[in-house]
Amino acid sequence: KQEVTQIPAALSVPEGENLVLNCSFTDSAIYNLQWFRQDPGKGLTSLLLIQSSQREQTSGRLNASLDKSSGRSTLYIAASQPGDSATYLCAVKHPLDTGRRALTFGSGTRLQVQP
Amino acid sequence: ETGVTQTPRHLVMGMTNKKSLKCEQHLGHNAMYWYKQSAKKPLELMFVYNFKEQTENNSVPSRFSPECPNSSHLFLHLHTLQPEDSALYLCASSLAGAGEEKLFFGSGTQLSVL
Repeated sequence: KQEVTQIPAALSVPEGENLVLNCSFTDSAIYNLQWFRQDPGKGLTSLLLIQSSQREQTSGRLNASLDKSSGRSTLYIAASQPGDSATYLCAVKHPLDTGRRALTFGSGTRLQVQP
Repeated sequence: ETGVTQTPRHLVMGMTNKKSLKCEQHLGHNAMYWYKQSAKKPLELMFVYNFKEQTENNSVPSRFSPECPNSSHLFLHLHTLQPEDSALYLCASSLAGAGEEKLFFGSGTQLSVL
């Protein structure tokens, strides 16, 4: 059974710092991995999606990497801003031939960027 | 606005009530999902529908009854809920068979069961 773990559970940094959020998964047989952002009481916003054949994806100040063989992904946030404060979730998708379409989520990292 | 709309945003109900959550997607997707998010727990998959057919049921109690009349609409009918069912219920959709299969989420319904 796939399990996804995110470390740390919570993180507080001063504005301007570069930071790394970690995600690990137990079964390396994945179709893709997605990073989401969730603001309190709200839905999830997709940030980056990495296919299993890819190593990284970039969007603005965000960079996500994937090492499928070791079951790890990182989300790098450059020059953090108070508006980045949110919970960041990673999720993996099962291979399509399993017939399972849903994602398995980690518990998230709650980020607070201090002005 | 992600193209996935959920109503109501907030719902308070007693244990004997019957209510329904509604989800509508305007993205032309063919797969829809219900997830439950409780405090301090990872998102839990409840149901998956692909082309209106239920393809996954994650051992959800029968007091939760999903309905998918077409590829754009998804309902979650609730009856005789328990206080521990209080949570944020999230709907999502995706385009199955289109490569990335990225999920798009609605804003959720915050449910409180008294």
